Amino acid sequence: DAGVIQSPRHEVTEMGQEVTLRCKPISGHDYLFWYRQTMMRGLELLIYFNNNVPIDDSGMPEDRFSAKMPNASFSTLKIQPSEPRDSAVYFCASSYGLAGAFEQYFGPGTRLTVT
Amino acid sequence: SQKIEQNSEALNIQEGKTATLTCNYTNYSPAYLQWYRQDPGRGPVFLLLIRENEKEKRKERLKVTFDTTLKQSLFHITASQPADSATYLCALVTVYGQNFVFGPGTRLSVLP
Repeated sequence: DAGVIQSPRHEVTEMGQEVTLRCKPISGHDYLFWYRQTMMRGLELLIYFNNNVPIDDSGMPEDRFSAKMPNASFSTLKIQPSEPRDSAVYFCASSYGLAGAFEQYFGPGTRLTVT
Repeated sequence: SQKIEQNSEALNIQEGKTATLTCNYTNYSPAYLQWYRQDPGRGPVFLLLIRENEKEKRKERLKVTFDTTLKQSLFHITASQPADSATYLCALVTVYGQNFVFGPGTRLSVLP
């Protein structure tokens, strides 16, 4: 398996624009996670899905953030409108869940810069 | 309040020595305590996990201990090498995966 795939790897956008980050989890994994990492706040869980269903979105900072998982092999994280404080590295991770003791496999991340 | 902490932001040790990293938590009841390695510009990579009913786990030069009374996990790298230089993150997972929380990380530098 190619591992978790994220696109784009880098995104530079202007404040107010819509940003869509994409993730393809490892085939067979039933959990998918979206994280944000900054120097100040470390690695923060934004939302996670189990079998394509959002389970906990309490980490999503504002209504400007939304995430979807239309099928087992694809998820998106959307920010609309984007703001400079959204600049961070966004990671997607997937896991076998309880069967795999929630061992998470991370993608390479998307570095988002909002100017 | 709930918190997860790692003992130091950065740790420098000499090659060949044992590196010991600490992870402490409060107001959680983790079912698993996991350790990840993160290199600059990359995503975290899973290394080892320990369950709440386990005291110690080993994998090659790595050893993890878990004390649920002290609410602490220790992560040891024996015979450390410069290639072990990275940021190490602890993470806890509560029962049935209700919480997934990462610590702030410790940046380890192994000096030749």
